Amino acid sequence: DVKVTQSSRYLVKRTGEKVFLECVQDMDHENMFWYRQDPGLGLRLIYFSYDVKMKEKGDIPEGYSVSREKKERFSLILESASTNQTSMYLCASSQDRASSPLHFGNGTRLTVT
Amino acid sequence: GENVEQHPSTLSVQEGDSAVIKCTYSDSASNYFPWYKQELGKRPQLIIDIRSNVGEKKDQRIAVTLNKTAKHFSLHITETQPEDSAVYFCAANLFSGGGADGLTFGKGTHLIIQP
Repeated sequence: DVKVTQSSRYLVKRTGEKVFLECVQDMDHENMFWYRQDPGLGLRLIYFSYDVKMKEKGDIPEGYSVSREKKERFSLILESASTNQTSMYLCASSQDRASSPLHFGNGTRLTVT
Repeated sequence: GENVEQHPSTLSVQEGDSAVIKCTYSDSASNYFPWYKQELGKRPQLIIDIRSNVGEKKDQRIAVTLNKTAKHFSLHITETQPEDSAVYFCAANLFSGGGADGLTFGKGTHLIIQP
């Protein structure tokens, strides 16, 4: 069974801090994704990566960057955290880019104060 | 831009009745349509998916129908049970340029099963 692990379940950071959210998958998937989930807005794609060192912007990339140095690891970076980035962040991986199921991690609830 | 619309946002049904959730999409090139269930405090999990080469797929009490001409697809849950209470998300792969840009999700439907 695919396992996607996010390093933190809950995180509290201060405005202006640099924040790293880490995600690791164990199924040798090429594709990894970062989504943000907010009530009433569903899941919105921030960034995705289809190979090591490759990245593509999703629908809401502003204020975020990503890093994929190894196939199994995909990091989301908030360069300077702001209160409007308080949200649930979900990492996912999949075998195919957009025609196979996404396997999600448990999510990281980030609060920026 | 390209998007996925999902209705209703909240659905309350009596236990044992059927529930139907509908989604529309804008990209005629979309060819993969999964449905995810998210229980409170848990991760979204795939419950069923359909590809554009079929019009209907069924798995026990759950079925999905797809109308490519009208660009809409629906989730049907029969004989609903308390454990069906959750938020359900539809999704579609949307294309721009030469390749798929990943899955785009609807805003979700909170399904409430009344005892």
